Amino acid sequence: AQKVTQAQTEISVVEKEDVTLDCVYETRDTTYYLFWYKQPPSGELVFLIRRNSFDEQNEISGRYSWNFQKSTSSFNFTITASQVVDSAVYFCALSEAGYGGSQGNLIFGKGTKLSVKP
Amino acid sequence: GAVVSQHPSWVICKSGTSVKIECRSLDFQATTMFWYRQFPKQSLMLMATSNEGSKATYEQGVEKDKFLINHASLTLSTLTVTSAHPEDSSFYICSAGRGVTIYEQYFGPGTRLTVT
Repeated sequence: AQKVTQAQTEISVVEKEDVTLDCVYETRDTTYYLFWYKQPPSGELVFLIRRNSFDEQNEISGRYSWNFQKSTSSFNFTITASQVVDSAVYFCALSEAGYGGSQGNLIFGKGTKLSVKP
Repeated sequence: GAVVSQHPSWVICKSGTSVKIECRSLDFQATTMFWYRQFPKQSLMLMATSNEGSKATYEQGVEKDKFLINHASLTLSTLTVTSAHPEDSSFYICSAGRGVTIYEQYFGPGTRLTVT
């Protein structure tokens, strides 16, 4: 069965600190996608990244970076030099290649609330 | 591109009434639309998946007679909460999928429903 675990419920940092949000997933599929979304207080989900299971290259986008390790089934997200605007709930999600009706369904972790204090 | 809208953004209704939420893909045709529910401080839970012109597939534990989903066109899906109760108060988010095998899902801004 598929599952996404975000063990950190809440994290609080001071501005300019680096912070890593953990994500561990479970799946039986060999083809799957992993995602990170940001949900600010307004509620709208903001897409951050999508990664397929065959691409283990780490990715960097500005202050954001992602570390995908299939050996540990982890897809961690690091924010470098955090800013107050980074305060939000961050969700990791899994989508399997699927079979039958489950194709494309997103399974979300419980989210990590990040608070960045000035 | 890939903009999804939801209407209304928030709604307050009385217990026992029905409320309809619209989800539209504005600049693409959505092969599949998904409806999620999010209770305060919790994660998003998939309620149902719908393909245009066919019946929605509901997740276990979601009452299909209470949450009516209509996917009449490739750009519009509606969720009707029938005979709403206070426990139905939640944040409802739709997403529209584009793609053949692995869906790229684009999320709407959500609708906050409060049942009094």
